[in-house]
Amino acid sequence: GAVVSQHPSWVICKSGTSVKIECRSLDFQATTMFWYRQFPKQSLMLMATSNEGSKATYEQGVEKDKFLINHASLTLSTLTVTSAHPEDSSFYICSATTSGRFYNEQFFGPGTRLTVL
Amino acid sequence: ILNVEQSPQSLHVQEGDSTNFTCSFPSSNFYALHWYRWETAKSPEALFVMTLNGDEKKKGRISATLNTKEGYSYLYIKGSQPEDSATYLCASLTGTASKLTFGTGTRLQVTL
Repeated sequence: GAVVSQHPSWVICKSGTSVKIECRSLDFQATTMFWYRQFPKQSLMLMATSNEGSKATYEQGVEKDKFLINHASLTLSTLTVTSAHPEDSSFYICSATTSGRFYNEQFFGPGTRLTVL
Repeated sequence: ILNVEQSPQSLHVQEGDSTNFTCSFPSSNFYALHWYRWETAKSPEALFVMTLNGDEKKKGRISATLNTKEGYSYLYIKGSQPEDSATYLCASLTGTASKLTFGTGTRLQVTL
């Protein structure tokens, strides 16, 4: 149980295009989903917290107009990187909880490797 | 300690060896400490969530301890197997941050 899928697993796009990444909880309802980014040799960094039906909460330094998050249902959250540039190339990974609290374990997707040319 | 630090960065052991790694975290306003195992090309998998000073948790051959006063946690693997090869991440939750702060992980490789 507690499986989270993420699609696509990798994507290469041209500079200036937008890329959408989907995060789905397959066998449970996710009250809260989180989006992280990881640059090479660095730790996972939280970008935003997403609750179903409400606006995402972005971490300091993360542009909400550039990284659009939609959490339309209890099983699906999407991250759209708008007008992507090479500096947005990174590993993006989502996670979900059933309680919305950081006390509880998070269930992670396998991640998406984004390369912007 | 302001950030979450893990050591060593990487570790190479032989099958059957026991090993351990360290996670250091801010001790003030501590709420919880998470351990995850992350195999290549797979999703990170939760191992333990620990909240109380002196907590010890065990899952099979893997166990963890927690010292919230001095801000460290140890992860132990007894009798390492090749399938234990993975990156082990820890993450701390403090009241001031209100989010999980991850370390960079310890990469373990177990060979025959």
